[in-house]
Amino acid sequence: EPEVTQTPSHQVTQMGQEVILRCVPISNHLYFYWYRQILGQKVEFLVSFYNNEISEKSEIFDDQFSVERPDGSNFTLKIRSTKLEDSAMYFCASSVDGQVNYGYTFGSGTRLTVV
Amino acid sequence: DAKTTQPTSMDCAEGRAANLPCNHSTISGNEYVYWYRQIHSQGPQYIIHGLKNNETNEMASLIITEDRKSSTLILPHATLRDTAVYYCIVRVVGGADGLTFGKGTHLIIQP
Repeated sequence: EPEVTQTPSHQVTQMGQEVILRCVPISNHLYFYWYRQILGQKVEFLVSFYNNEISEKSEIFDDQFSVERPDGSNFTLKIRSTKLEDSAMYFCASSVDGQVNYGYTFGSGTRLTVV
Repeated sequence: DAKTTQPTSMDCAEGRAANLPCNHSTISGNEYVYWYRQIHSQGPQYIIHGLKNNETNEMASLIITEDRKSSTLILPHATLRDTAVYYCIVRVVGGADGLTFGKGTHLIIQP
């Protein structure tokens, strides 16, 4: 069964550093998403991406965040200057049709620890 | 998106049917009911969705009341691997909008 692949599985970074989280969505999917989950809390929507541009973003997705689909297969989330409160699991997801007939497929996540 | 209400937790014996309720009394006519689950520390997993007809797939069945104000997810023969947090989400189908996850129901399958 096709999978959404996320790398790395765990990243530790110092406060103020930039991090890039990487995702390879399922190849025929057209919609891409990033979510995060702070330990013990709800899964929170960050951003959606379609047709090479951001479609929707939440209040969490401020100027320190950016997304990119650099080469037609990877989908990245960049955090420019990490803060302690950015520590969370970050999940990438993709969808073939925006959930018309099929739901999202989520990756297994990247655990980001900011120290 | 309409708000949903789910019990915080439920137990079910292994091999029995697990019935997870969800209330969505403010659902609009163009909103679908989606169910996802999250097994500990993993990414959420899509289960099923529907508008007003009952739906069944290889994972589960979804029963939506006639007035669409509530629904029930049924796992017909629960196994220990079905222990997870189950999320009922209501939203308009299609498009790139994100999902709004609530706290869900923590389903514990007992051996």
